[in-house]
Amino acid sequence: DAMVIQNPRYQVTQFGKPVTLSCSQTLNHNVMYWYQQKSSQAPKLLFHYYDKDFNNEADTPDNFQSRRPNTSFCFLDIRSPGLGDAAMYLCATSRGRGRTPEQFFGPGTRLTVL
Amino acid sequence: GIQVEQSPPDLILQEGANSTLRCNFSDSVNNLQWFHQNPWGQLINLFYIPSGTKQNGRLSATTVATERYSLLYISSSQTTDSGVYFCAPQDGAGSYQLTFGKGTKLSVIP
Repeated sequence: DAMVIQNPRYQVTQFGKPVTLSCSQTLNHNVMYWYQQKSSQAPKLLFHYYDKDFNNEADTPDNFQSRRPNTSFCFLDIRSPGLGDAAMYLCATSRGRGRTPEQFFGPGTRLTVL
Repeated sequence: GIQVEQSPPDLILQEGANSTLRCNFSDSVNNLQWFHQNPWGQLINLFYIPSGTKQNGRLSATTVATERYSLLYISSSQTTDSGVYFCAPQDGAGSYQLTFGKGTKLSVIP
């Protein structure tokens, strides 16, 4: 089945220790997104890639970076995690321009910062 | 940006009951999705519904884009329907951003 996969499902890191979260997709979609969702809140878009074009949301902290080496994979790097970065991180994909913009989400990675 | 209001914020239902969840949005949209977030945190697509009515089993959704609202109907609710339901419109200006409402937390009790 075509899907969005996130690894790991649970990640524990130490305050200030860099961490990388992974997302892959078999849908061959042009657009990949990273959302942050804190407890009892709605998901918040951090950034998205349209193919290789990177689009950062204005209020995304510099501490968050992303890489998309190819169509299938996208990574979220948190350079120096703080306690406030503990959250669920959700990856999503959608088709490109001129196609139905429906977004499909992976299962998420729950990040704990000690 | 687009403003999204969902109501009610919390809902408790007896198993077998029906319910209607509402989503109001402040601007024209070219996409609107309803999601169910299960207890494990996964967002499950329920409907892609920028306008009109769709049905999928016990669930149906209606979006009236001209009046800027969408409704999600759940009939004969089951305990597995528990979780948070999010409405997420995408504005009509070519943005790729879904703006999520704060959600409706549904608890279905046996």
